[in-house]
Amino acid sequence: GDSVTQTEGPVTVSESESLIINCTYSATSIAYPNLFWYVRYPGEGLQLLLKVITAGQKGSSRGFEATYNKETTSFHLQKASVQESDSAVYYCALGDRGSGGSNYKLTFGKGTLLTVTP
Amino acid sequence: EAAVTQSPRSKVAVTGGKVTLSCHQTNNHDYMYWYRQDTGHGLRLIHYSYVADSTEKGDIPDGYKASRPSQENFSLILELASLSQTAVYFCASSNRPQDTQYFGPGTRLLVL
Repeated sequence: GDSVTQTEGPVTVSESESLIINCTYSATSIAYPNLFWYVRYPGEGLQLLLKVITAGQKGSSRGFEATYNKETTSFHLQKASVQESDSAVYYCALGDRGSGGSNYKLTFGKGTLLTVTP
Repeated sequence: EAAVTQSPRSKVAVTGGKVTLSCHQTNNHDYMYWYRQDTGHGLRLIHYSYVADSTEKGDIPDGYKASRPSQENFSLILELASLSQTAVYFCASSNRPQDTQYFGPGTRLLVL
């Protein structure tokens, strides 16, 4: 089946340091995967951070970037300089572009808890 | 701004009791979803719906029922709550299945 594997947390990074959260996927039943990063801040629901639907493309938002690499089946999340306000749980997710199949769900990774220290 | 609300935000239930979790969206979206999250797992799909008065099973539907009485409302029903259903439950909506899903804040359910 489809699956997403991401960096085991918790991850602790000092403010202004760089960050990478790894994400790899297996899309056995999805012909045209969409890839997502969602973020959940304390006390809130998940919200979309960025989304990429085309292999080879890069998505970016709020200083975060992720490149959809079809060859390595990866979608790593990176940020050059983190802030305390980036402390949250980050979820990598796999979806179907809607090729006509019946895959209506998102497949999520387990989430990575990030704590940024001052 | 898209909005999905859930009630209650937290609940303590007794084993064997009935629990109803409610979700309301003001996005005018056709698709709605119920997920659960347990420690050490990603979100897993329980039920979803793409039109009022119709629901579909997700990956882990056993022990749960769903109800979609209107486009805006989607409920998750635990007829006989069990200890294993202790989890955080998220509702979400989207315009189409391949579109961005908008999530509610979650309901923390503890079954004792």
